[in-house]
Amino acid sequence: AQKVTQAQTEISVVEKEDVTLDCVYETRDTTYYLFWYKQPPSGELVFLIRRNSFDEQNEISGRYSWNFQKSTSSFNFTITASQVVDSAVYFCALSEAHQGGKLIFGQGTELSVKP
Amino acid sequence: EAQVTQNPRYLITVTGKKLTVTCSQNMNHEYMSWYRQDPGLGLRQIYYSMNVEVTDKGDVPEGYKVSRKEKRNFPLILESPSPNQTSLYFCASSLSTKGLAGGTDTQYFGPGTRLTVL
Repeated sequence: AQKVTQAQTEISVVEKEDVTLDCVYETRDTTYYLFWYKQPPSGELVFLIRRNSFDEQNEISGRYSWNFQKSTSSFNFTITASQVVDSAVYFCALSEAHQGGKLIFGQGTELSVKP
Repeated sequence: EAQVTQNPRYLITVTGKKLTVTCSQNMNHEYMSWYRQDPGLGLRQIYYSMNVEVTDKGDVPEGYKVSRKEKRNFPLILESPSPNQTSLYFCASSLSTKGLAGGTDTQYFGPGTRLTVL
């Protein structure tokens, strides 16, 4: 069965620290997609990245980077030089190729960046 | 601006009073979906639609109805709301579910509707 686990419920860091949010997934499909979404205090869900199961290249976008490792079924997210505006709940999600587009979300990691 | 809109953003109602939460997207997306977010339970899919006149149940469809008469709109209907439907609701849309190798394109979410049923 498909499942996404974000073991870190809450993380607190001081501004400018680097922080990594962990995501481990389970799936029997060979074709699947992984996502990260950000939910700031205002409540909306903001798309950050999408990765398909055939592409294990790491991705960097500004201060954000993602490490996808199929061998460990992990899709971790690192914020470099964190800022107060990064404070939010971050969700990792999985979508399998033949599941009608359904996103399976992890429980989320609440990141608090203190000045 | 490309976006998914939901209305209302906040709603307090009473048990049994029918309500509709509207969802509209201006991106010509084929796929639309509804999720609810609850503390401790996370985000769960209620219903989805792959195209006009095509809808299907997600993981938690009980107590909800949907319709997809037009491509841009996907309303969520609660015929007889109950307190256990108090939740934060999100509508989402994506280009299609026929992305690379048959998988889903990125789903973009609306701002959310916070519903309280007394």
